[in-house]
Formats: sequence, structure tokens, C-alpha cells
Amino acid sequence: QVQLVQSGAEVKKPGASVKVSCKASGYTFTNHDINWVRQATGQGLEWVGWMSPHSGHTGSAQKFQGRVTFTRDTSITTAYMDLSGLTSDDTAVYYCTRSLGGTYDDDAFDVWGQGTIVTVST
Amino acid sequence: DIQMTQSPSSLSASIGDRVTITCRASQSLNNYLNWYQQKPGKAPELLIFGATSLQSGVPSRFSGSGSETDFTLTISGLQPEDFATYYCQQSHRTPYTFGQGTRLDVK
Repeated sequence: QVQLVQSGAEVKKPGASVKVSCKASGYTFTNHDINWVRQATGQGLEWVGWMSPHSGHTGSAQKFQGRVTFTRDTSITTAYMDLSGLTSDDTAVYYCTRSLGGTYDDDAFDVWGQGTIVTVST
Repeated sequence: DIQMTQSPSSLSASIGDRVTITCRASQSLNNYLNWYQQKPGKAPELLIFGATSLQSGVPSRFSGSGSETDFTLTISGLQPEDFATYYCQQSHRTPYTFGQGTRLDVK
């Protein structure tokens, strides 16, 4: 079945970087964009950015520009998000999610990973 | 950035009720408006995309309506599994933005 499986929880110190992976299966990896969304405890959803696994093109919300990098390895159908300069405000669950795309021409997020908890603490 | 405003922020209802959640965008979305359901400790799930299209596998008691800047999610005949938090989201223009959420609980 179509699924996204993310890497495990991370605990980092302020100023460090974290790299979260997102393994796709059950569909053609390069046919759908991957987006990243985060959610702090008890808070709403915040879009971080996106990547095209086909072209490698990326984009992010302005608040993350210069701090976030999106990459992929098509040979193992895995997308990555690398976030640097971590502060306590980055403590959240990070989700990778697939854009519907295709014939729908819509970036609604139709498949979600299980989430990766990133904790930034001294 | 496109601002998304949901109302109400919380809502109490009973099994069998019909409930409506609204979402307003700060500019026209060309119908690129989506609705998600999220249960505690779980990832969100897509319910409605393109303002009115029901995602595969989602029960028909969920429906979406609206256009331009004003949209509605309706649940007709609440079931126990529908008590959750609901988010609207625009996919018209990056940065993609979400409403603040509507928490639906048991009256």
C-alpha cells in the first residue's frame, strides 16, 4: 500500500542540526511532490516546505529559508529534510506528506508519514 | 502570505448532529481549499480537496462547499469517530497555509 515511513525521534541541543528521512513505497516516487509540515505540542499545522523528487526543485516558507534543506535519493525512494540552527522553537512533530498532484493538478496532501518528534533541549 | 481563518475554534455536538465549520481566506483560492481531520497523536488525514471533492475512502457524510474566499465543511450525522480536530488549508499558492483548527468534541 501507499505509505511514507519516517525516521525515529531525535533529541538535539540548541544550535545543532537534524536530518529527518521519509521513505516512500507503494507508488512511483518521482510522480508526487513531498511536503514537510510541523506541529508543536498542542498547536496547529505549519508548512515548512516542499521538494519535487523528479526534478529536485525545492521551496520553503520564508521563516525557514537559509536553515532548511530538502534532498532525495531516488534509488531508495527516500526524501530528507535537514534543519539547522535549531532552537527550542523548533521542538515539534515533523511530518512528511505527499502532494496529490497528477491528474488532479492539486497539491492537497493525501498521504502522510507517521511523524518524527524533534526535541531541542539543553 | 494567504491567511486562513477558521470558525469556530471549538464546537460541542452530539451523535447524529449536523455540524458546519467555516474557513475564510484572505484572497481568492481558485477552489484550492482542502480539509483535514486529525485525531490525538495521529497524522492529519485528507477529507476534502478542491473545495468539494471527497477523498477516496472518506465517508459521504463529509462534504465541502464554497468558492473564492469562503468555504464550509459539513458533517451530516455525526459518528463517534468524527470527534477530532479539523483544519482547512489552501494549496493555491506557497507558502501553503492552514487554518488554526476547529476542535469538535462531545456535548
